Amino acid sequence: NAGVTQTPKFRILKIGQSMTLQCTQDMNHNYMYWYRQDPGMGLKLIYYSVGAGITDKGEVPNGYNVSRSTTEDFPLRLELAAPSQTSVYFCASGLSVNTIYFGEGSWLTVV
Amino acid sequence: QQQVKQSPQSLIVQKGGISIINCAYENTAFDYFPWYQQFPGKGPALLIAIRPDVSEKKEGRFTISFNKSAKQFSLHIMDSQPGDSATYFCAASMGGAGSYQLTFGKGTKLSVIP
Repeated sequence: NAGVTQTPKFRILKIGQSMTLQCTQDMNHNYMYWYRQDPGMGLKLIYYSVGAGITDKGEVPNGYNVSRSTTEDFPLRLELAAPSQTSVYFCASGLSVNTIYFGEGSWLTVV
Repeated sequence: QQQVKQSPQSLIVQKGGISIINCAYENTAFDYFPWYQQFPGKGPALLIAIRPDVSEKKEGRFTISFNKSAKQFSLHIMDSQPGDSATYFCAASMGGAGSYQLTFGKGTKLSVIP
């Protein structure tokens, strides 16, 4: 099993551009999450999903959108990129909130 | 947003020593307390977890101590090794109450020096 796969690994965006971070998992997990990690700030939840067709906002959803059309995929859309969105983004999945598995991260720089 | 406060922010320990990282929480509805370990360039990975009905859980060199009355829990790494150098996050959830979110501490960067 590949686990949680994120693409791209690295990306540089210009201010105002848009992009989608892809996340797919092959563990048939219902729960999926997007976190961002900034130095010294821990992990902040952006959006989460408890199953296909169901998404909800986390702590820092502004400037992002998600969709969950299948169990496997949970893409994160950045609209009108801003320097404040420079961060490392982690996708995670789990059978429950108690045990979640993280991907290896996507490093995004907005210039 | 319910907080989990973690300290210290960074920690340097000699090889063979004991590393101790502390966390405190506010919400008494939290019922699950995991610790995640993150190596540079990688995603966090579940290390060990505890429920509030026990005061201690040990897995190899890693031990969680839990103090329900003080609303605190800590990670102890015995015989710390250079390979333990990583960032450690405590977290809390209230899955039993229908919550779907993990609340993370801000992390502790551990460096184990030879």
